[in-house]
Amino acid sequence: AQRVTQPEKLLSVFKGAPVELKCNYSYSGSPELFWYVQYSRQRLQLLLRHISRESIKGFTADLNKGETSFHLKKPFAQEEDSAMYYCALRRGQGNTDKLIFGTGTRLQVFP
Amino acid sequence: GAGVSQSPSNKVTEKGKDVELRCDPISGHTALYWYRQSLGQGLEFLIYFQGNSAPDKSGLPSDRFSAERTGGSVSTLTIQRTQQEDSAVYLCASSNPGIEQFFGPGTRLTVL
Repeated sequence: AQRVTQPEKLLSVFKGAPVELKCNYSYSGSPELFWYVQYSRQRLQLLLRHISRESIKGFTADLNKGETSFHLKKPFAQEEDSAMYYCALRRGQGNTDKLIFGTGTRLQVFP
Repeated sequence: GAGVSQSPSNKVTEKGKDVELRCDPISGHTALYWYRQSLGQGLEFLIYFQGNSAPDKSGLPSDRFSAERTGGSVSTLTIQRTQQEDSAVYLCASSNPGIEQFFGPGTRLTVL
């Protein structure tokens, strides 16, 4: 069965510190991986998708098929990065299949 | 343009009552999804519509849950005989092939 694992429920860092939010998945095919973010009192929104290979708000994520991981990284955390982060998997690419989410990691960035 | 909208934003009901939650997707989006967000459970998939058909209902937790979509647009999620464990935030999303899913603000359901 497909599964997304985010081992950390809470990650606390100081402003300017590097951040890595871990995400591992299990799926035998070629998935599409996403990071979604939910800021306080806002709706869930897309942060990154692996096929875009973009850097958004200083965040990057590389799909490692060997380790089945899609960790989210930022070299210097900012207070405005404090939010709930969800890693998600979609079976196949470019379709409209459902998203399978991890349980989320709350990132707290202290001043 | 307008994003995904959901109503009501909050719903408090008594155990055993039926509730209906509404989702208005982004105009032109063919796919519509319902998810449930509860403490400790993260985001759970409930049901997916392509047009008015539901090819994947695998996430509906019991037969008390049902959903329909009409005109390839608005969707209603109905929960019959609500239980306290149904308390959660119910999220709707919409998309088209190849693009991301856009989420609504959610309906917070509290069952007393």
